[in-house]
Amino acid sequence: DTAVSQTPKYLVTQMGNDKSIKCEQNLGHDTMYWYKQDSKKFLKIMFSYNNKELIINETVPNRFSPKSPDKAHLNLHINSLELGDSAVYFCASSQVTGTGILVDTEAFFGQGTRLTVV
Amino acid sequence: GENVEQHPSTLSVQEGDSAVIKCTYSDSASNYFPWYKQELGKGPQLIIDIRSNVGEKKDQRIAVTLNKTAKHFSLHITETQPEDSAVYFCAASTSSASKIIFGSGTRLSIRP
Repeated sequence: DTAVSQTPKYLVTQMGNDKSIKCEQNLGHDTMYWYKQDSKKFLKIMFSYNNKELIINETVPNRFSPKSPDKAHLNLHINSLELGDSAVYFCASSQVTGTGILVDTEAFFGQGTRLTVV
Repeated sequence: GENVEQHPSTLSVQEGDSAVIKCTYSDSASNYFPWYKQELGKGPQLIIDIRSNVGEKKDQRIAVTLNKTAKHFSLHITETQPEDSAVYFCAASTSSASKIIFGSGTRLSIRP
């Protein structure tokens, strides 16, 4: 009963190729994210979607195109892969509960996709 | 934009001793502060969180403190055990939850 599942877990590809990573959550959450974790373990947000609508695009190159067919899925397509795209990509989902200052936003993460561009 | 700074980047403590990790945030609108633990080959997992209307929260060996005035929050782990070895991340978000900003992580090692 995986809450947030992403596939594939490992992806090795050549420069210039196009690849996709899929993400699905079965928690009924409204918000989904993509994060990139580099070799130094820094977690940087890339995109945030709420009910299939793009909310945040953190100056990610146009080669990265997220797609949310419904609120349970947020897929990431990457065109013309570059060496610098090598990283672990995490999908996550959350549901805001409470209001005002009484807010909880627990995010659940997938197991990650290790992308290696050669 | 929001920035979260985390220190130290690495921390080694003797088993049974305490570990403290500190974070500061920049956006005064932040009102939710989770802490995540990431084990090797896995995604980050929430271990404890604190809201802005609370100064301290404890869950067994783990406690968090928040100083809103200074925009500081800290994670305290007491009686450390080998299974506490991992990378720990602090984070901050606002009511909209449109993004959760993470600190740079602390690699905690517990020496036997």
